[in-house]
Amino acid sequence: AQRVTQPEKLLSVFKGAPVELKCNYSYSGSPELFWYVQYSRQRLQLLLRHISRESIKGFTADLNKGETSFHLKKPFAQEEDSAMYYCALSAGGNQFYFGTGTSLTVIP
Amino acid sequence: EAGVAQSPRYKIIEKRQSVAFWCNPISGHATLYWYQQILGQGPKLLIQFQNNGVVDDSQLPKDRFSAERLKGVDSTLKIQPAKLEDSAVYLCASSVTLMSSYEQYFGPGTRLTVT
Repeated sequence: AQRVTQPEKLLSVFKGAPVELKCNYSYSGSPELFWYVQYSRQRLQLLLRHISRESIKGFTADLNKGETSFHLKKPFAQEEDSAMYYCALSAGGNQFYFGTGTSLTVIP
Repeated sequence: EAGVAQSPRYKIIEKRQSVAFWCNPISGHATLYWYQQILGQGPKLLIQFQNNGVVDDSQLPKDRFSAERLKGVDSTLKIQPAKLEDSAVYLCASSVTLMSSYEQYFGPGTRLTVT
C-alpha cells in the first residue's frame, strides 16, 4: 500500500514566487512526517520534521491530520531551492517510507 | 565529521552474478539502514541494524539479498544471484540511535546496473 504520495514529479516556479510541494500520507496511527532534500550532486539530507515545527531555509510544513497532508511551503522561492524533495513517513516501530519525490526547478 | 562512506560507487554486472556493497557509517552511530532506490522512485528501506543486530528486514528479498553488520560498525549488503530488476541505487544511512531515525545521514550511494 502506498504510504506516501507526492502527486507532482516535476514542479517549476519563478524566483520570488510562492512554492508548495504536496504530500499526502496513509497511516492509521500517529504519524511522524519529514521532508528530505537532495541538491544536485549532494546526498539526501533531512530538511525538516513536523514535530519540531521549525522553519528551515524559509520552508515550513504543517501536518493536517484531517486531510492526511504534509505540504511543504515557501513564500518566495530562490534559485538555490532547486532540488529533489522527498516526503517521508515514520509509521511507528521501525518502518520508514519515502514518497516518489518532486523535482523543483526555480526559474531565474 | 566524516560522512557515511559507501563503495563501490558504480557497479555493472550480468544477471545471475553476485555483488556486494560496503558501508561505513558515521562514527558512533548505532543504527544503520540500507535502502534500494529504483529510478523514478523514492528510497525503499530494505533492512535496519541496531549495533550488530537486525531491527527490521521485512522488506528485504531474503531469497537473494543478505546483509550483515558483524562488529556493529561496517556493513555489507549482498545480492546473489542478481536479477535485472535489481538495477538501482543502493543507499546506506546511519543515525545516532533508533530513536533518532528521523535524522538519517545518507551516503553517496552505489549505482548498480544489471545487464
